Amino acid sequence: DGGITQSPKYLFRKEGQNVTLSCEQNLNHDAMYWYRQDPGQGLRLIYYSQIVNDFQKGDIAEGYSVSREKKESFPLTVTSAQKNPTAFYLCASGPGQGELNYGYTFGSGTRLTVV
Amino acid sequence: AQKVTQAQTEISVVEKEDVTLDCVYETRDTTYYLFWYKQPPSGELVFLIRRNSFDEQNEISGRYSWNFQKSTSSFNFTITASQVVDSAVYFCALTPLSGNTPLVFGKGTRLSVIA
Repeated sequence: DGGITQSPKYLFRKEGQNVTLSCEQNLNHDAMYWYRQDPGQGLRLIYYSQIVNDFQKGDIAEGYSVSREKKESFPLTVTSAQKNPTAFYLCASGPGQGELNYGYTFGSGTRLTVV
Repeated sequence: AQKVTQAQTEISVVEKEDVTLDCVYETRDTTYYLFWYKQPPSGELVFLIRRNSFDEQNEISGRYSWNFQKSTSSFNFTITASQVVDSAVYFCALTPLSGNTPLVFGKGTRLSVIA
């Protein structure tokens, strides 16, 4: 079945650690996205990538980094510079540049907690 | 700039009541898509509907219906005869028609349907 797989489902981070959230899709979508969800804040865009080896900052990119070496994969690293990383992280994929933006497919999310 | 406002943060209804979730948007684009997504407790966002700016016809799908009014920049969502399984967070989103700009989400409305 085609879809997006996020792992792990739950992740615990110690203060000062970097952690990487995985996102893999087999939908042949060009574009991939990372959103952060906090209670009452909705979904806020962290980073997105419209094509392999290229990505752009979203509204809240500080303290995060990404890579897009393969079309299928868009991992998100939460660095120690992110002072308040506890949140629910959602990955999505969708059509790329020049295509009609018919919407995204979302993964099931990763809940990150700082301990 | 694009903006989506969901003024209702939380709504509680008793089972079998009808409920309407409001969505108001702002955009300078003349062509755009509007979306509704459902987020059940499991966390994954589930696509409900996409409507393009050319089509102002209301749409009905079972107990769900959507009212798109360009004149008031609104895209409201009504659930008829609500059920406990409808309890979720519902997001409205907006994007231009072409695939260069990420979806912009509202902050969501948490619906609780009480048996």
